Amino acid sequence: AQRVTQPEKLLSVFKGAPVELKCNYSYSGSPELFWYVQYSRQRLQLLLRHISRESIKGFTADLNKGETSFHLKKPFAQEEDSAMYYCAYMKTSYDKVIFGPGTSLSVIP
Amino acid sequence: DAGVTQSPTHLIKTRGQQVTLRCSPKSGHDTVSWYQQALGQGPQFIFQYYEEEERQRGNFPDRFSGHQFPNYSSELNVNALLLGDSALYLCASSLYRVGYEQYFGPGTRLTVT
Repeated sequence: AQRVTQPEKLLSVFKGAPVELKCNYSYSGSPELFWYVQYSRQRLQLLLRHISRESIKGFTADLNKGETSFHLKKPFAQEEDSAMYYCAYMKTSYDKVIFGPGTSLSVIP
Repeated sequence: DAGVTQSPTHLIKTRGQQVTLRCSPKSGHDTVSWYQQALGQGPQFIFQYYEEEERQRGNFPDRFSGHQFPNYSSELNVNALLLGDSALYLCASSLYRVGYEQYFGPGTRLTVT
């Protein structure tokens, strides 16, 4: 079965500290991978896509096909980064989106 | 543009009843996907509609059915409700060729008693 795992349900870091949210997927092909974010009282929204290779709000994510991982990283966490983060993937551009269980990030001032 | 809208916001139903949830996509979008999000879990894909047809389906029983109208809006119907159907139901719209960029609605909270 297609699966996305996010081993940490909760992650707390201090402001200014580096943060890494882990994501692993179970698909042997070349999927499209994403991170979605949900800030408090806001809707779920796309944060970044692995193909774009861009940094959004200081976050980057590297696809490691050997380890089937797509961890989200930011060198210096900010309080406004506190949110629920979901890793997701699609087998192809026209496939369904499969979401992981999510990691709640709390940045301590 | 109000973005993706869903109605109703909250709904309470009894086991065995039927429910219809509604979704209007973001202006310009042609594809609607429905997700079920149980407490503490990520969204689980139910199905996707494009050109008024179900294009993809997740691992949900036939009790879950849907429809897409010519104006791209969509309905999710659930028959013979079970307690386990209690969840937040999310609707997301996108362009079919850009399926990864989904715009989510606020969700409908369904409680089955």
